[in-house]
This record gives sequence, structure tokens and C-alpha cells, in this order.
Amino acid sequence: SQKIEQNSEALNIQEGKTATLTCNYTNYSPAYLQWYRQDPGRGPVFLLLIRENEKEKRKERLKVTFDTTLKQSLFHITASQPADSATYLCALAGNTGKLIFGQGTTLQVKP
Amino acid sequence: KAGVTQTPRYLIKTRGQQVTLSCSPISGHRSVSWYQQTPGQGLQFLFEYFSETQRNKGNFPGRFSGRQFSNSRSEMNVSTLELGDSALYLCASSLSTSGGASPYEQYFGPGTRLTVT
Repeated sequence: SQKIEQNSEALNIQEGKTATLTCNYTNYSPAYLQWYRQDPGRGPVFLLLIRENEKEKRKERLKVTFDTTLKQSLFHITASQPADSATYLCALAGNTGKLIFGQGTTLQVKP
Repeated sequence: KAGVTQTPRYLIKTRGQQVTLSCSPISGHRSVSWYQQTPGQGLQFLFEYFSETQRNKGNFPGRFSGRQFSNSRSEMNVSTLELGDSALYLCASSLSTSGGASPYEQYFGPGTRLTVT
């Protein structure tokens, strides 16, 4: 069955460092992949989208890579700030457009 | 532009009862999706409606149903509630078109927190 795995443990980093979050998937050939941010008690907020034929996408301090051979996406936040502390979700979609979400990785940026 | 709104925000029900949750999408969005979020299972897709028709469906029992109205507002219903239905139910809308496969971002509402006792 389709499976998406994100870092199960929380990621703790120091302010100013680069945070790298991983999203691995199996038994799936997604047409595109999205990353969302979720704060406690709120709905997820869209951050970035990358298609299967794209290797990398950037938006301000955010960068996403997508390796369909390794079946992996990496999400980077450079110059991290305490305000970046949240849970980050990756979501994959095939040709039907239905999104399947990973469990999320909680990022804690310490000042 | 107003965001996605969901009502009610919190709900407490007893096992065996039924519940109806409501979602108003962003103006102009015709696609509405519903998700269930629990600590153990994460965010799981329930179903998607587009132009009053269910377009995609997740792996949930028939107790979970939904509908969409001509103004794109959507409701989801859960009948014969079980303790395991306690969760945050999230609604999301998007600019997805009739093709369905385009990668449109989802705009999520704040969710309805359902507690079944």
C-alpha cells in the first residue's frame, strides 16, 4: 500500500541554522508534492509545491527538492527563526489530484 | 477575501449519535475536500466534492458521508458515532478545475474538534 514517512521524532535546532526535513514515500508515483505548515489548533497552510519533473523549488528562505528515483523530498528552512517552530507536513498527489499526507515533523527552533 | 470557515468549532457528542459539520469555501473555489486528523493516524483524506459531485473518496466506512450545495458550501455527516471518531475534522477548498489532476494548493479551515463520549 502507499506509504509516506516523515521524521517521526521532533527536530530541534538552533536559531540561524538550516533545518532539513525529510519525506520518503513507497508504492507511489506522485505527479506532484506539496509542503504545508501547521500550528497547534489551526489548519495546515500551504508553503510550496513541486512537480515530478522539477528537481528543486525555492521561496524566500524555503527550498524543496524532489528526487523521484530515491522517492524522497527534502524541505529546507535556511536561517531558521523561533517563529518557524511548527509541524511540517508533506503531501503527495497522483493523477486524480487526491492528496495523501505524511504524519508530519515537528520543528522546534531555539533562540 | 474571507478564508475557509467551518462550523461549529467544537462539538461533543455521545456514542451512537450522528453529527453534521459545515464548511464554507473561499469564494470562487468549487472544490471542497474533507480530512480527519488524529494524533495516531495523522491527516487522512475523507472525500472531495466538485460542483456538487463527489470526485474522490478515501478509505472510510459508509458512516461518513458528505454533500456539496450549488453555492459550493459543503457538509459532512457522521452517523452512529464511535469513540474512535473523535478527531479534528478539516475542510479545505481549492481552485481545482473539472480536470481534477492539476496541482492546486489547498486552503484549510480552522477545523471542527469533535469529541465522542
